[in-house]
Amino acid sequence: DQQVKQNSPSLSVQEGRISILNCDYTNSMFDYFLWYKKYPAEGPTFLISISSIKDKNEDGRFTVFLNKSAKHLSLHIVPSQPGDSAVYFCAARSSGTASKLTFGTGTRLQVTL
Amino acid sequence: NAGVTQTPKFRVLKTGQSMTLLCAQDMNHEYMYWYRQDPGMGLRLIHYSVGEGTTAKGEVPDGYNVSRLKKQNFLLGLESAAPSQTSVYFCASMLTSGSHEQFFGPGTRLTVL
Repeated sequence: DQQVKQNSPSLSVQEGRISILNCDYTNSMFDYFLWYKKYPAEGPTFLISISSIKDKNEDGRFTVFLNKSAKHLSLHIVPSQPGDSAVYFCAARSSGTASKLTFGTGTRLQVTL
Repeated sequence: NAGVTQTPKFRVLKTGQSMTLLCAQDMNHEYMYWYRQDPGMGLRLIHYSVGEGTTAKGEVPDGYNVSRLKKQNFLLGLESAAPSQTSVYFCASMLTSGSHEQFFGPGTRLTVL
């Protein structure tokens, strides 16, 4: 039973346009949601996070939106740049469990010129 | 700071052989984690540690053992490797339970023939 789902395995966006990556979850006990970015042959790197008590968090070109009633979050990248091409993982932290993270399967974003 | 380092980067084993993967962090982090990543799947937690001398099972612990004898090191052992353990292994660390961002190493690609 996958508690964190990323239903789009891949996404292609033109440079300068908005990229929207989606993530759904089932566990109401998650208290933090994170996005990680991964380049080939490297480890994931933290991108942005949001607490379950917030509905939006912004950091430069990256914004994460959380809709708790729908158990859905999304990552917006505006404007998209070729260097954003990577695999993006959505992750959720379970409260009170040694900060264990549950990851989605990832979405491969390709930003084209 | 080197951050989180993993040794080795690549390894090929034959079925039944044993090996140890080493993770080291120089950030004085309390928490450390071992994940595996397989095609089409997110990162899955194998084992984790909330401090020196403590370890606990994650989502997929079977076939693996771990030790955390020193705060900066977290070892993952395969006593008798199986082809199903062919994967990319990532180590991560986190400052304390009050944090939510995990820092990842570059990964170890393991093939079991």
